[in-house]
Amino acid sequence: GEDVEQSLFLSVREGDSSVINCTYTDSSSTYLYWYKQEPGAGLQLLTYIFSNMDMKQDQRLTVLLNKKDKHLSLRIADTQTGDSAIYFCAESTGFQKLVFGTGTRLLVSP
Amino acid sequence: NAGVTQTPKFQVLKTGQSMTLQCAQDMNHEYMSWYRQDPGMGLRLIHYSVGAGITDQGEVPNGYNVSRSTTEDFPLRLLSAAPSQTSVYFCASSYVRGGVNEQFFGPGTRLTVL
Repeated sequence: GEDVEQSLFLSVREGDSSVINCTYTDSSSTYLYWYKQEPGAGLQLLTYIFSNMDMKQDQRLTVLLNKKDKHLSLRIADTQTGDSAIYFCAESTGFQKLVFGTGTRLLVSP
Repeated sequence: NAGVTQTPKFQVLKTGQSMTLQCAQDMNHEYMSWYRQDPGMGLRLIHYSVGAGITDQGEVPNGYNVSRSTTEDFPLRLLSAAPSQTSVYFCASSYVRGGVNEQFFGPGTRLTVL
């Protein structure tokens, strides 16, 4: 079955880069997604990558995909305190269903 | 547009009680889903719908019912609440464009079952 795994916690200093990692199991996933959840709120789509791409850049965000190892990462450049949140990766499987990872809580200290 | 709305925001139930969590969207999205979020377990799919009149089970459907009589509304019913159903529940609606499935989430309902 599908399984998406992430480390639970990451702590960085303001201005540093953050790298959040994710591994997934379904090799047939067409798109992979990164969502952000701020405290007390629902999830919001940050970015996504098509499975035949290796990299996607979107302002401070860089997504890297290693399809052979089924590994996805999200790099946030110049991390700010406002980036503190929980970040979820997700893979699309089957008919319009998303399978979410466990989420990584990012804490940015001044 | 209000987006995805959920009511109530908070609810406390006793074991065995039933209730309905409401979800509505005003974006004319075909797809709607219900998730539960538990610490260390991420989001797990309970039920989903690909259009009015069509629903299907997700990963953790037991103890929950859904129906989709209109495009806008997708209520989640707890038949007989159990402490294991204590969780935060999120409703999401989505559309697919060019293969990309962007889900829009409501603010969540925090449910405690005593």
